[in-house]
Amino acid sequence: GENVEQHPSTLSVQEGDSAVIKCTYSDSASNYFPWYKQELGKRPQLIIDIRSNVGEKKDQRIAVTLNKTAKHFSLHITETQPEDSAVYFCAASTGGRRALTFGSGTRLQVQP
Amino acid sequence: DAGITQSPRHKVTETGTPVTLRCHQTENHRYMYWYRQDPGHGLRLIHYSYGVKDTDKGEVSDGYSVSRSKTEDFLLTLESATSSQTSVYFCAISDRPNTGELFFGEGSRLTVL
Repeated sequence: GENVEQHPSTLSVQEGDSAVIKCTYSDSASNYFPWYKQELGKRPQLIIDIRSNVGEKKDQRIAVTLNKTAKHFSLHITETQPEDSAVYFCAASTGGRRALTFGSGTRLQVQP
Repeated sequence: DAGITQSPRHKVTETGTPVTLRCHQTENHRYMYWYRQDPGHGLRLIHYSYGVKDTDKGEVSDGYSVSRSKTEDFLLTLESATSSQTSVYFCAISDRPNTGELFFGEGSRLTVL
């Protein structure tokens, strides 16, 4: 089955800096790559997703890039703010009856 | 927030006892999932359902069973709880199979002593 690896496991940045979280996946048939944000004590929530026919997608301060050849995708957060502090999960899916496989998570801390 | 509720939200039980967690949704979504969340492991899929009486195993299904007799309810049962099943359990729903947004419940924290 699919295997998703996520790095780093923890990331600390100063407010206003950029943060990058990287994921690799194993199944070349995967075609859907979402990112979820989980604030402390809360449920995970989708923040952005990308499909395999697109190389990059942006939504305000966040962007995701996908390199299908190398089988990796990344989350970029610019101008970080304290409210960006959370655990971020990447995931991958081939669709159909193959459910999403999540990475192990990255704890991002934005220092004011 | 999507209409999805989990019960109980917190439970402490002893090794060897049966436990059932309930996920109830009011969105009429066809697809439902149970995940467990443990430090360093992210979210791991236990079981999922593609409709009433249509369920399948995920990557960590050993020791768990599920049932879905109605669209709105998805039950997760630990037949004989073990300490390794101490975790936070999340139910999720979606209107598309595996390529659509997952809406998560608030989670159920289970402690097995």
